[in-house]
Amino acid sequence: GAGVSQTPSNKVTEKGKYVELRCDPISGHTALYWYRQSLGQGPEFLIYFQGTGAADDSGLPNDRFFAVRPEGSVSTLKIQRTERGDSAVYLCASSSDSSYNEQFFGPGTRLTVL
Amino acid sequence: AQSVTQLDSQVPVFEEAPVELRCNYSSSVSVYLFWYVQYPNQGLQLLLKYLSGSTLVESINGFEAEFNKSQTSFHLRKPSVHISDTAEYFCAVKRDSSYKLIFGSGTRLLVRP
Repeated sequence: GAGVSQTPSNKVTEKGKYVELRCDPISGHTALYWYRQSLGQGPEFLIYFQGTGAADDSGLPNDRFFAVRPEGSVSTLKIQRTERGDSAVYLCASSSDSSYNEQFFGPGTRLTVL
Repeated sequence: AQSVTQLDSQVPVFEEAPVELRCNYSSSVSVYLFWYVQYPNQGLQLLLKYLSGSTLVESINGFEAEFNKSQTSFHLRKPSVHISDTAEYFCAVKRDSSYKLIFGSGTRLLVRP
């Protein structure tokens, strides 16, 4: 079956612009996660959805970052007034409803803020 | 807060040599441990995991890792590496009460012929 997909694969934007990054999880997975991977670092947790609600958004760096999952499937990560420091690979993962279960990762969206 | 340390940023080895990638985590009452692999231009893939039971866990492609509670370590080993093992390897930990993974900074394994 299809894995986690993310679009776009690459996004180049200018400082101050607004961007949206999309994640399509594996069908039937109720849990969805966003991580951010800066150059030379491991992924860092941003937010976790269980169904439509954000169960844990403690990793969002500031109020310029926001994520939604209105129908409990596709999720969109939104970044307002982008800054050069937001440049990173944004990873999405999904899992079935259990803390024991493997998180399946998408290929990521590489965001470059000029 | 939970943390994961991968001391080696890059490990170069010759093909068919053994390798060990080190991972240490900060102590916690109950944790689950994972190794993920990221091949060039691909997404993260789960290599192996420790949830409970036997402290030695194995992957299908010859890697193994041993959970050592007293040393708070989860080192990854392979007795004989292949060129195709060249990749970035990430150790990760998750608390029993949490869903989020805490990753180390990664170790790049470079296998040379």
